[in-house]
Amino acid sequence: SQQGEEDPQALSIQEGENATMNCSYKTSINNLQWYRQNSGRGLVHLILIRSNEREKHSGRLRVTLDTSKKSSSLLITASRAADTASYFCATVEYGNKLVFGAGTILRVKS
Amino acid sequence: DGGITQSPKYLFRKEGQNVTLSCEQNLNHDAMYWYRQDPGQGLRLIYYSQIVNDFQKGDIAEGYSVSREKKESFPLTVTSAQKNPTAFYLCASSIVARDYGYTFGSGTRLTVV
Repeated sequence: SQQGEEDPQALSIQEGENATMNCSYKTSINNLQWYRQNSGRGLVHLILIRSNEREKHSGRLRVTLDTSKKSSSLLITASRAADTASYFCATVEYGNKLVFGAGTILRVKS
Repeated sequence: DGGITQSPKYLFRKEGQNVTLSCEQNLNHDAMYWYRQDPGQGLRLIYYSQIVNDFQKGDIAEGYSVSREKKESFPLTVTSAQKNPTAFYLCASSIVARDYGYTFGSGTRLTVV
């Protein structure tokens, strides 16, 4: 099963610009998580937002959650070349299993 | 430093061979997971285990087997029954709690030759 779906599939921006990625999901959730994956590497946990939270910040990251629309967005401000990676949203299914979307490929050009 | 280690980084399998991918963690996490990642796709769950000597099938378990004899270790065997095993395999671990993220290993890239 694939719960989350990210949009856009790919995003190319200039260094210093903001990057926004969106995620939609299908069923009710306890929390939604965002991960980053550099090419050929494992995933790194970025941020978790609970279902009763609407917005959360971590450094240059801002995540919003709209449970009525079953959607979340990840904003990366003042992007850097090092932010180039794939970004995945994930939701928790029964049994504490994470279900991932297909991801957004972000390219930050310097 | 605590972490999760996958080995080998690259693995080549001949047709009809079984191969085993290693996953070890020293984070004292109870739960461990195996995911498969194909190009342009997200991660799909193969197997998971929340306690020693117990494991559950994920969405794509056919052609794979696992064991969980120790808390620290969760090896994945790709059997000859898996017809399209070429993929990137990721192991992860977590504590068994609702609001907790996963820690991932760096992955094993398996190629059939």
